[in-house]
Amino acid sequence: GAGVSQSPRYKVAKRGQDVALRCDPISGHVSLFWYQQALGQGPEFLTYFQNEAQLDKSGLPSDRFFAERPEGSVSTLKIQRTQQEDSAVYLCASRPLLPGGTDTQYFGPGTRLTVL
Amino acid sequence: AQRVTQPEKLLSVFKGAPVELKCNYSYSGSPELFWYVQYSRQRLQLLLRHISRESIKGFTADLNKGETSFHLKKPFAQEEDSAMYYCAHGSGGGADGLTFGKGTHLIIQP
Repeated sequence: GAGVSQSPRYKVAKRGQDVALRCDPISGHVSLFWYQQALGQGPEFLTYFQNEAQLDKSGLPSDRFFAERPEGSVSTLKIQRTQQEDSAVYLCASRPLLPGGTDTQYFGPGTRLTVL
Repeated sequence: AQRVTQPEKLLSVFKGAPVELKCNYSYSGSPELFWYVQYSRQRLQLLLRHISRESIKGFTADLNKGETSFHLKKPFAQEEDSAMYYCAHGSGGGADGLTFGKGTHLIIQP
């Protein structure tokens, strides 16, 4: 079956532009996560959804970052007024079970964002 | 705050030699530890998790609560093991995002 997909795979933005990154989780997966991975670093947690509810957004670095999952499936991560330090790979992951489970997170291929 | 430390950015061993990738964590509760692997041009994928106590592709990892470690081991390295390896910590209980280490790049030389 299809895994987690993300689009676009690559995005180049000029500083100050707004960008929107899309994640299609595995069908039926309740939980969805966004991570940011800077060059040479491990992924860092941004935010977490259970169905359409955003239960944790403690990792969002600033109020320029906004995520939504209005129908509990596809999610969009939006970055307003991009800055060079936003350049990173943005990873999406989904998981079948409800919170607190130790089930596997399945990762997408990521979107590589470069801000010039 | 939770923290995962992988002290080696790069580890190079010869084919057939034993491999140990180190991981230490800081967490006062009941930890959930994972190893994720990323092969060249592929996505991040789960290798193993401590609750399963399983061996995947010849790799094992034992949780040592006294030393707060979860080192990944394989007795005989194979060339196809070359990849980035990330140790990750989950706390569960509602805080479901994983905390990752910075990763270790494992290179298996022929």
